[in-house]
Amino acid sequence: AQKITQTQPGMFVQEKEAVTLDCTYDTSDPSYGLFWYKQPSSGEMIFLIYQGSYDQQNATEGRYSLNFQKARKSANLVISASQLGDSAMYFCAMREGNAFKTSYDKVIFGPGTSLSVIP
Amino acid sequence: DARVTQTPRHKVTEMGQEVTMRCQPILGHNTVFWYRQTMMQGLELLAYFRNRAPLDDSGMPKDRFSAEMPDATLATLKIQPSEPRDSAVYFCASGHARQLPEGAYEQYFGPGTRLTVT
Repeated sequence: AQKITQTQPGMFVQEKEAVTLDCTYDTSDPSYGLFWYKQPSSGEMIFLIYQGSYDQQNATEGRYSLNFQKARKSANLVISASQLGDSAMYFCAMREGNAFKTSYDKVIFGPGTSLSVIP
Repeated sequence: DARVTQTPRHKVTEMGQEVTMRCQPILGHNTVFWYRQTMMQGLELLAYFRNRAPLDDSGMPKDRFSAEMPDATLATLKIQPSEPRDSAVYFCASGHARQLPEGAYEQYFGPGTRLTVT
């Protein structure tokens, strides 16, 4: 079964507008972490933001915020005031367990969403 | 600005040849990962190391792939013999695993090696 689902293969957004990229996850572990990475056309993977399962507040990092809805198992990425440089693939990822589990280091990536920012 | 470096950035080789990819993790990071990215399979974890010891290589085809960390500044991924289906972008990533119950650490990715096997 898919652990990470990103239902939007492609998205378009007008420059300066906000956009939400969807991510749902599946885990039975009470302890997990959620990540978002950006991959521009140049190919490198860039870490954007992290949310822990026990974090009480939604994570924010500059123009990026993570809309964490634990009961719905969703971790949507919100990009405010989109810029042309935001055009890229965006990957949601999850790590299950805590640091004392041997599988802790494994990060599972979703299929990605391609975001295009229109001037 | 510390970065993960990978060499070569591009490699074209013929089927049956040996391919070696190298990675220099960020200094001080104790965990190193090898991923493979293809259009069909997305990003797959091949193997990873903690403090140079291999922890998991279950994602790697054992008969032809091998991963090592001869020292803390070098990780290698070798394919022998290479096959066309190995064509992909291979990423190395490193991170520093902190000892917290729910300790999280981000992985910093290198630029990748784009491998084409003809």
